[in-house]
Amino acid sequence: DAGVIQSPRHEVTEMGQEVTLRCKPISGHNSLFWYRQTMMRGLELLIYFNNNVPIDDSGMPEDRFSAKMPNASFSTLKIQPSEPRDSAVYFCASSPQGGGTNTEAFFGQGTRLTVV
Amino acid sequence: GDSVTQMEGPVTLSEEAFLTINCTYTATGYPSLFWYVQYPGEGLQLLLKATKADDKGSNKGFEATYRKETTSFHLEKGSVQVSDSAVYFCALSDQGTYKYIFGTGTRLKVLA
Repeated sequence: DAGVIQSPRHEVTEMGQEVTLRCKPISGHNSLFWYRQTMMRGLELLIYFNNNVPIDDSGMPEDRFSAKMPNASFSTLKIQPSEPRDSAVYFCASSPQGGGTNTEAFFGQGTRLTVV
Repeated sequence: GDSVTQMEGPVTLSEEAFLTINCTYTATGYPSLFWYVQYPGEGLQLLLKATKADDKGSNKGFEATYRKETTSFHLEKGSVQVSDSAVYFCALSDQGTYKYIFGTGTRLKVLA
């Protein structure tokens, strides 16, 4: 298996522009997570999907952020409009059954977003 | 709520030194415990895990034992290498919740 695939690996955009990050989870995994990693705040959970349904989006910082999972093999995280404080590394992770089980989460390589 | 506390870094060691990175947790149930490693520019990779008390997870010379009495899961390696330089994250997953809770990470630098 190719693992969790994220694109792009790097994104540089101007403040105010729309940014879309993409994720392909591991086939057969029914749980998908989006995390944000910064030096100041560490690893933050943004949103969790189970069987393509958003279960918990309480970590989404504000209305500028939205996430979708139209099918089991694809998810997007969108920021509109983007701001410099959104600069971070965004990770997608998938899991066979989600937390609360004995299974681990598998992470993608991340998208490094820079908003100038 | 559930939480994970890791020792502050950075930790700087000479090659072949002994490594310990402390991790303690708070959980309401019976969590599974994990150590992840993040190399520069990469995502988090599972290093080892333990799913019940007294279990020992091991991989690539690293070990950690699930200690319920002290709510700890300390990471150890007998002889570190330069290639072990990375950030190490302790994490838990508790019964009844879907979440994986991560510590803040500990940066390890190994000098030749």
